[in-house]
Amino acid sequence: NAGVTQTPKFQVLKTGQSMTLQCAQDMNHNSMYWYRQDPGMGLRLIYYSASEGTTDKGEVPNGYNVSRLNKREFSLRLESAAPSQTSVYFCASSESTGTGQETQYFGPGTRLLVL
Amino acid sequence: GQSLEQPSEVTAVEGAIVQINCTYQTSGFYGLSWYQQHDGGAPTFLSYNALDGLEETGRFSSFLSRSDSYGYLLLQELQMKDSASYFCAVRDGGYSTLTFGKGTMLLVSP
Repeated sequence: NAGVTQTPKFQVLKTGQSMTLQCAQDMNHNSMYWYRQDPGMGLRLIYYSASEGTTDKGEVPNGYNVSRLNKREFSLRLESAAPSQTSVYFCASSESTGTGQETQYFGPGTRLLVL
Repeated sequence: GQSLEQPSEVTAVEGAIVQINCTYQTSGFYGLSWYQQHDGGAPTFLSYNALDGLEETGRFSSFLSRSDSYGYLLLQELQMKDSASYFCAVRDGGYSTLTFGKGTMLLVSP
C-alpha cells in the first residue's frame, strides 16, 4: 500500500517548456487535489477532482490544466512553464467520512524549478 | 471566501508545552483540521474538530470554539522531532475543499 505517489520528484524546465506531473493513489479515494506550496504562502489549491470524470478550479488555476484519467490517477500539466511556477507541487487524495471529516493524504511532492 | 490567521513562528524548549493559535473567517463552517509538515516532507493529518471543545491524541490536543471562530493546537512534552510547520485548515461547506493557513513553524531547542 503505497498511498499517494508522485512523479517526478524533481524537475528543471526552461521558460516555455511543457510538462506533466503525475499522481496516483491506491486508497480507492474519490477526491484528488493538486496544491502548490511557496515559502510563506502555505498550501494553495490549483485544481481538484471530486470524483472520476469531474475537475474544478481551485484558488490558483491559471497556467495549469488537469486530467482525471481514472479513479487512481490525476495529472497536472503546465503547457508553457513560467518562472512564477517554480514551486513544490503536492498531490493529495481524500474520502469523506460520515462525521464530515475529510482527511487528506499527501504525496511526497514534486520540486519544480523554471529557469 | 475563507481566511485563516496563525503565527508564522513559535519557539520552545524540549519538554515544554506550546500552543499554536488559529483564527478563521468563513462563510460556512464544517470543521477545523491540523496538519504537520516536516522540512522537505509531505503534510500529514494530525487532528480534526467539528464541535466545540478539546480533542486529545497522545501528546497533541486540539481545541475549537465555533462562537469565537478560533482554535488551537496544543503540543505537550515537546520533543526535538516536533520541530516542523503546523497548518490549520477549514472547510466551509458540506462538500467543499480545504483552505489552509500559511503555517506556523515550530522550533524546538534542547
